[in-house]
Amino acid sequence: AQTVTQSQPEMSVQEAETVTLSCTYDTSENNYYLFWYKQPPSRQMILVIRQEAYKQQNATENRFSVNFQKAAKSFSLKISDSQLGDTAMYFCAFMTYTNAGKSTFGDGTTLTVKP
Amino acid sequence: DAMVIQNPRYQVTQFGKPVTLSCSQTLNHNVMYWYQQKSSQAPKLLFHYYDKDFNNEADTPDNFQSRRPNTSFCFLDIRSPGLGDAAMYLCATSSALAGGWNEQFFGPGTRLTVL
Repeated sequence: AQTVTQSQPEMSVQEAETVTLSCTYDTSENNYYLFWYKQPPSRQMILVIRQEAYKQQNATENRFSVNFQKAAKSFSLKISDSQLGDTAMYFCAFMTYTNAGKSTFGDGTTLTVKP
Repeated sequence: DAMVIQNPRYQVTQFGKPVTLSCSQTLNHNVMYWYQQKSSQAPKLLFHYYDKDFNNEADTPDNFQSRRPNTSFCFLDIRSPGLGDAAMYLCATSSALAGGWNEQFFGPGTRLTVL
């Protein structure tokens, strides 16, 4: 069974600064996906960024980038130039190629961006 | 825009009174998932449909049932809600890609209150 651990229950950052959210996972699979999802207060969960394990290059989406360390089973999310709208709960998730797309989620990190 | 829709957004029911939550999607995804999410916690998968095949998680109580009459719709039935079933219920969809999977697309959720 896979496990996903987010060791930072809460974090805060000043607007325009950079923040990094941590995620580690455990699996015996070689091929899989990793995701960061964002769930703003009272709003729906949306995908921030995805990484396929076979790709060595770290994924980036505008101000969001990841540091994927496959050997260390680490998948951190860096948010640059933080904006007030980035305030949300962030979930790290793991998905295998099999198992009907089911994902295992971490417990989440609540990020507050302060003006 | 293609999307996942959940109705109602807020549902109040009485202890023991059956309730049905609805999810529809315009993404034409073949997999639909139901999650239970309690305050500031990770979503907990209850079950999923892969096309017409129902897949229950081992620890999902018998009190929770689901129906998928067609590709677009999926229902969550709670036969006898208890106070512990008060939560946000999230519907999500996904589909297989060539050699892999899409990320999950989430609806806005239904917040269930049990009185």
